[in-house]
Amino acid sequence: QVQLHESGPGLVNPSETLSLTCSVSGASVDGYSWAFVRQPPGKALEWLGSIDDIGATKYNPSLKSRVALSIDTSKNQFSLNVKSLTAADTAVYFCARAQAGYNYHPYFFDFWGRGILVSVST
Amino acid sequence: QSVLTQPPSVSAAPGQKVTISCSGSNSNIGNSFVCWYQKLPGMAPKLLISDNNSRRSGTPDRFTGSKSGTSATLVIYRVQIEDEADYYCGTWDGSLSAVVFGGGTRLTVL
Repeated sequence: QVQLHESGPGLVNPSETLSLTCSVSGASVDGYSWAFVRQPPGKALEWLGSIDDIGATKYNPSLKSRVALSIDTSKNQFSLNVKSLTAADTAVYFCARAQAGYNYHPYFFDFWGRGILVSVST
Repeated sequence: QSVLTQPPSVSAAPGQKVTISCSGSNSNIGNSFVCWYQKLPGMAPKLLISDNNSRRSGTPDRFTGSKSGTSATLVIYRVQIEDEADYYCGTWDGSLSAVVFGGGTRLTVL
């Protein structure tokens, strides 16, 4: 069974950079795309970006300038950086495996981590 | 403001049928496939349906997805108390080059 686990700080100061890592077990990151999705309190899901096993990335255009994804196939994990944080970035952050199905673009997420609550506050 | 439009809430009594709509445009639903998730509080989203109407392993056959033009629909037959959750549609938007979600629909089982 594929399992994902997010790790990182639960509290970050405004204007600083959030760094989260997603560790994957039960499957190799090779051959798949991976993603981060977040959910602010009381709001909808929001896709942040996706990365494939060779490091090709796609980002949410509303966040593109602040978000960066990277992948480490030797450690079977991938990571998210979000810079210039504000209170609006407070959310539960999920990592997930992305799949394309019949589509050309990986657009659905079949395995998810449990999520990590990140609060942006002093 | 979500790219895909869903009703904020729906309700049904146990055993009834409930329909959740997801409206988009030609840049997303009209030219892509749709998926559906079930989201319980404090839990990760659970993928129910992908590629418009393909149930994932473990998704009860009471859940049915469909798509027509720029809209998609999730129908839950014989609603059960444990179906009470938030439901999200998702797809790829070619104009935005992004995965987009609906705003979510809260299902209340009366």
